[in-house]
Amino acid sequence: KQEVTQIPAALSVPEGENLVLNCSFTDSAIYNLQWFRQDPGKGLTSLLLIQSSQREQTSGRLNASLDKSSGRSTLYIAASQPGDSATYLCAVTGGSYIPTFGRGTSLIVHP
Amino acid sequence: DTGVSQDPRHKITKRGQNVTFRCDPISEHNRLYWYRQTLGQGPEFLTYFQNEAQLEKSRLLSDRFSAERPKGSFSTLEIQRTEQGDSAMYLCASSSLDTLAEAFFGQGTRLTVV
Repeated sequence: KQEVTQIPAALSVPEGENLVLNCSFTDSAIYNLQWFRQDPGKGLTSLLLIQSSQREQTSGRLNASLDKSSGRSTLYIAASQPGDSATYLCAVTGGSYIPTFGRGTSLIVHP
Repeated sequence: DTGVSQDPRHKITKRGQNVTFRCDPISEHNRLYWYRQTLGQGPEFLTYFQNEAQLEKSRLLSDRFSAERPKGSFSTLEIQRTEQGDSAMYLCASSSLDTLAEAFFGQGTRLTVV
C-alpha cells in the first residue's frame, strides 16, 4: 500500500524567503506525482504535475523535482509572498490511477 | 468548461438523516473520484469510477455510503443514517484517460452532522 509523507507539517516564514517542501512515498512504481494548493475551507488547486519519466517541472516561482528511485519529491517556492500562505499537498498516482495524498504542509508567509 | 462542480457547497443535517451530494466532472473526463477530508488531514480515497463503472471502493466506504455515476457523466454520493463522524469535506475529482492523468478537484461539499 502506497504511503505518502510530507515534511514539515507546518512552516512559518517571513516574506521573501525561498522554501523547500518535502514529499516522500514508499512505492516507487508511480505513474505521476502532483502538487496541490488548498486554501482554508476550499478545494484543491493543481500546481504542478510530474510524470514518472520526468525529473522536474516549473511554473513561475514554483519548481518541483522528482527522484522516483529514492521515493522523494520536493516543491521549491522562490521569493515567498503572503499570498502563498496555504496548505500544500502532494499526491502520488500509481498503476491504479488513484491519487494517494500526504497530510500536507501548512505554510504561513508573514509580511 | 468551468472545471469540476460540486453541489451543495455546505450541508448541515441532523444525525440519522440521509444526504446526497452531486459532482459534475470536467466534460469528457472518464475518471471520477470521491475523497473525504477531515481537519488537518489529507484527502482520503473513497471510490473511483471509470465511465459508469465503479472500479474501486475504499474500506472507508461503509454500507451507509453509496455512489453512482449512471450515465458516465455526473456522480452522486449518498450517505444514509448520518453519524457525527461523517462530518467532513467531501471532495470530487476527475481526470482524463490521456497519458498525463492529471486530477482536477472541485470546491468540495462541507458536511456537518449535528
